[in-house]
Amino acid sequence: QVTLTESGPALVKPTETLTLTCTFSGFSLSTTAMRVSWIRQPPGKPLEWLARIDWDDDKFYMTSLKTRLTISKDTSKNQVVLTMTNMEPVDTGTYFCARMVRGYHYFDYWGQGTLVTVSS
Amino acid sequence: AIQLTQSPSSLSASVGDRVTMTCRASQGISTSLAWYQQKPGRAPQLLIYIASTLESGVPSRFSGSGSGTDFSLTISSLQPEDFATYYCQQFYSYPLAFGGGTKVEIK
Repeated sequence: QVTLTESGPALVKPTETLTLTCTFSGFSLSTTAMRVSWIRQPPGKPLEWLARIDWDDDKFYMTSLKTRLTISKDTSKNQVVLTMTNMEPVDTGTYFCARMVRGYHYFDYWGQGTLVTVSS
Repeated sequence: AIQLTQSPSSLSASVGDRVTMTCRASQGISTSLAWYQQKPGRAPQLLIYIASTLESGVPSRFSGSGSGTDFSLTISSLQPEDFATYYCQQFYSYPLAFGGGTKVEIK
């Protein structure tokens, strides 16, 4: 059974750095062609893909946020971590991690999401 | 970057209705398109991938079609549990992109 669970702070201040952890089970990120992404959704707005990390540690980022994002993995802990620097109120939203179908680039399993509010 | 435009942004329909929504890509994406259903406060759920393949466990009243730039998702007979927002996603190239969504509401 595949599960993903996001964790991190519910509230961050402007200019702070956000660190989110995705803890997963039911698959291994050391398996060839396995990938995990982070996606966010501002309140009442559409989904926005942020970053992806692959089994071989390849990483890809949303172009407009590339300078602020870092994605990493700890295979032994079954975790993927996303950091986003210089948080702003417009970054408020629900952050999801999701597994990408092996060998493809769409998402078959999602975490429940974690709501992050950026406010002083 | 490829952009996806969904229409309509919202629609009202009754249980039993046949409902169709569309997703248009700003450039050709072959059949590299997925559809998701999202209910309030929940994560999206995969319905259709590679434009027309039904995900395991998804009811057969859902169907997808299209290729290139124009795609559609059809619900053949709307059920109460289908009232939700539907998103398309292109996986032809990076950055991955989602459409703006179509919200299906009760008439």
